[in-house]
Amino acid sequence: NAGVTQTPKFRILKIGQSMTLQCTQDMNHNYMYWYRQDPGMGLKLIYYSVGAGITDKGEVPNGYNVSRSTTEDFPLRLELAAPSQTSVYFCASSSGRQNTEAFFGQGTRLTVV
Amino acid sequence: GEDVEQSLFLSVREGDSSVINCTYTDSSSTYLYWYKQEPGAGLQLLTYIFSNMDMKQDQRLTVLLNKKDKHLSLRIADTQTGDSAIYFCAESDRDSGKTPLVFGKGTRLSVIA
Repeated sequence: NAGVTQTPKFRILKIGQSMTLQCTQDMNHNYMYWYRQDPGMGLKLIYYSVGAGITDKGEVPNGYNVSRSTTEDFPLRLELAAPSQTSVYFCASSSGRQNTEAFFGQGTRLTVV
Repeated sequence: GEDVEQSLFLSVREGDSSVINCTYTDSSSTYLYWYKQEPGAGLQLLTYIFSNMDMKQDQRLTVLLNKKDKHLSLRIADTQTGDSAIYFCAESDRDSGKTPLVFGKGTRLSVIA
């Protein structure tokens, strides 16, 4: 019962460094999402994908890139880390059918110093 | 764009009822959701309601929807200390193909023993 798995759980980056946040799901879901959660704020959508090979920008895509080469994996790439990207990142997936639940990973807490 | 608003904090005594309120702006919202986030964890779906319903009950949870006023509430009966968490209201408009969820900022529920 793995569900949505995110790695790493915690990471500290220096300004200008790059990293990839990994997300994988084993539920054969077509839809996958990346959100960021800042203190006292709701979740803001960064990017989403409705299937392998298809990605689309969300509300706050600047500074991030994604790819979806397989149904299972949806990595999020930060090319030049900035302090404004300090946040908790959540990956989620859903089957995409009406009224179905979105399943969330445990989150990745990223600090950029 | 869509907007979902919630009060940020609610404090109740153990055994009392909790009512968490949410307003939204997108009149085409077809599904409205309540998610629960416990400390250090991802979000977990509690319940959802379809926009042609005005009430849904699930054990201790009651969801009320006033579509005219675009107001959604979650009532938790006999609130327990384990209910302490952040509760997020979210909406989606799957009929138009807009599948990503739009979240409120979350209401932090504190239950006092």
